[in-house]
Amino acid sequence: EPEVTQTPSHQVTQMGQEVILRCVPISNHLYFYWYRQILGQKVEFLVSFYNNEISEKSEIFDDQFSVERPDGSNFTLKIRSTKLEDSAMYFCASRTQGAGELFFGEGSRLTVL
Amino acid sequence: AQSVTQPDIHITVSEGASLELRCNYSYGATPYLFWYVQSPGQGLQLLLKYFSGDTLVQGIKGFEAEFKRSQSSFNLRKPSVHWSDAAEYFCAVGTSGTYKYIFGTGTRLKVLA
Repeated sequence: EPEVTQTPSHQVTQMGQEVILRCVPISNHLYFYWYRQILGQKVEFLVSFYNNEISEKSEIFDDQFSVERPDGSNFTLKIRSTKLEDSAMYFCASRTQGAGELFFGEGSRLTVL
Repeated sequence: AQSVTQPDIHITVSEGASLELRCNYSYGATPYLFWYVQSPGQGLQLLLKYFSGDTLVQGIKGFEAEFKRSQSSFNLRKPSVHWSDAAEYFCAVGTSGTYKYIFGTGTRLKVLA
């Protein structure tokens, strides 16, 4: 069964460092997402990406964040200068065109020290 | 703005008992509605979804949910809970008018043996 894969599963970084989280969405999906879940809290929308551009973003997704689809398979989330409060689980998701559920990866846990 | 409310943060039931998890949404358009389950340290797995048609939808693991437009609700039910159902459950809403799928705050289910 096709699945969304994310790497790394866990990353520890120092405050102020740049982090790139990687995702390989399901191959025939057209919409790509990043969500964040701070430990024990709700799943928060960060950004959606369609047709090689951001289609929607939340207030959390400020200038420190960026997304890219550098080739036909990867979808990345970059945090330029990490803060302590960026520590969270980051989930990538994808879906097909039209109405459809999100398929989630297993998540990348980011710990900022 | 769209929103999803899950009024119950924690629910405890005995194994074999019935379960109902509540979800209310606020949205002007016809919503797409979802229930996801998250086991500790894991990603989100889709239990069931509603787009249109029959308002009672069946999902995996014996779960079902009923869409009630008049009450803006999409409650999740299971007639007999198993110990393995202990997890966090998230209700989510999206529409065709937005790329953004919004999640509720989640309900943590504990199952007593």
